[in-house]
Formats: sequence, structure tokens, C-alpha cells
Amino acid sequence: DAGVIQSPRHEVTEMGQEVTLRCKPISGHDYLFWYRQTMMRGLELLIYFNNNVPIDDSGMPEDRFSAKMPNASFSTLKIQPSEPRDSAVYFCASSIPGPPWTQYFGPGTRLLVL
Amino acid sequence: DAKTTQPNSMESNEEEPVHLPCNHSTISGTDYIHWYRQLPSQGPEYVIHGLTSNVNNRMASLAIAEDRKSSTLILHRATLRDAAVYYCILINTGGFKTIFGAGTRLFVKA
Repeated sequence: DAGVIQSPRHEVTEMGQEVTLRCKPISGHDYLFWYRQTMMRGLELLIYFNNNVPIDDSGMPEDRFSAKMPNASFSTLKIQPSEPRDSAVYFCASSIPGPPWTQYFGPGTRLLVL
Repeated sequence: DAKTTQPNSMESNEEEPVHLPCNHSTISGTDYIHWYRQLPSQGPEYVIHGLTSNVNNRMASLAIAEDRKSSTLILHRATLRDAAVYYCILINTGGFKTIFGAGTRLFVKA
């Protein structure tokens, strides 16, 4: 299995632009998670999906952030408009349902908003 | 949501065993103890997990206290490639509110 795939790996954009991050979970995994990692706040859970349905988005920082999962093999995290404070590494992870609930992470997207 | 406490950093010599501690005093009965590690510029990588009993795999061993309020990740022979940030987290069915703390940064000296 190829593991969790994320694209792009690096993104540089200007403040105010729309940014779309993409994730392909491991085949057969029913749960998908989006995390953000910064030096100041560490690794934070933003939102997670079960069977393509958003279950908990309480970690999404504000309305500029939105996430979708149109099918079992694809998810997007969109930031519109982007701001410099959104600069971070964004990770996608997936897991199978049931114990032990192990999550498998992608390589991340490093976002820089100028 | 149950949280964990780990030392900020630890140091080890190459080819010596390393014991990384974690306290999780508010652990619930359905929480699985997971350990992940993060190498520079990579995503967190699963290392090992356990519920009540000690566990061994090809990467490490996990020792769980009898009251489950603490655990220890054991790397039997540290190598330079083991230098990373190690996270101890609790995962259960309750909403998957996975909380990653700051982790322990492991330095390995040649």
C-alpha cells in the first residue's frame, strides 16, 4: 500500500489567496483526520471524517477553513482567504474503525503564506 | 479528553537502551496507549500501542504500569536514526479527540 498521500508537498502563496490541500487515505480506512502543526501550538486536530461524513470540526480555527470528503478516497482542506498565520505543516491521517484506532499519517503539506 | 505528560527531552548514547516515560493519570478504560515518533520533516510514524499488557514489536517495547497511569517506551539499542520527537497519546472511541502533547525530543550521541 502506498500509504496516505498528500499534495502538494510544499505550497507558497500570498495573503488573500485560496489554498487547497489534498489527501488520499489508505484504501479501506474509514476515518480521515486533518492536523496542523506549528512550533507554537504543536500538532492540533482540526477535523475528522467517518465514512466521508464530518464528525467533529471543533478544531477548525475559523470560517476561513473548510474541509470536504466527496468520496472514500479523497479529501480537501481549503483556506480562503489565506493569512500569514496559517503558515504551518498540514497533515492528513487515516485509520480503520475499531480498536486500537491506530492512525497513519501522510508526509504533510508545508504551507507558507506571504 | 485524557492528556499525557512527557519529559521535554532526553539524551542517549548510541547502541544503549533508552526508556522514554509517559504519565497518563486520567486514562480511561477504553483508551489505547499509542506511541508515535516524528523524524525531521516527516509526518508522525506509528511505533507501538497497548491496552493493558506489555507489548513488543520489531521497533520497540511498551511497558504499561499495572494501574495504567503510566507507560514506558523502550528502544533496546538506540541508533542515530532514532533521534526524533516521541509522542505518547491516548486514543479511544470517544470522538477521536486525539491530543498530541509536546512529546519528548530524543538526542542520540555517537
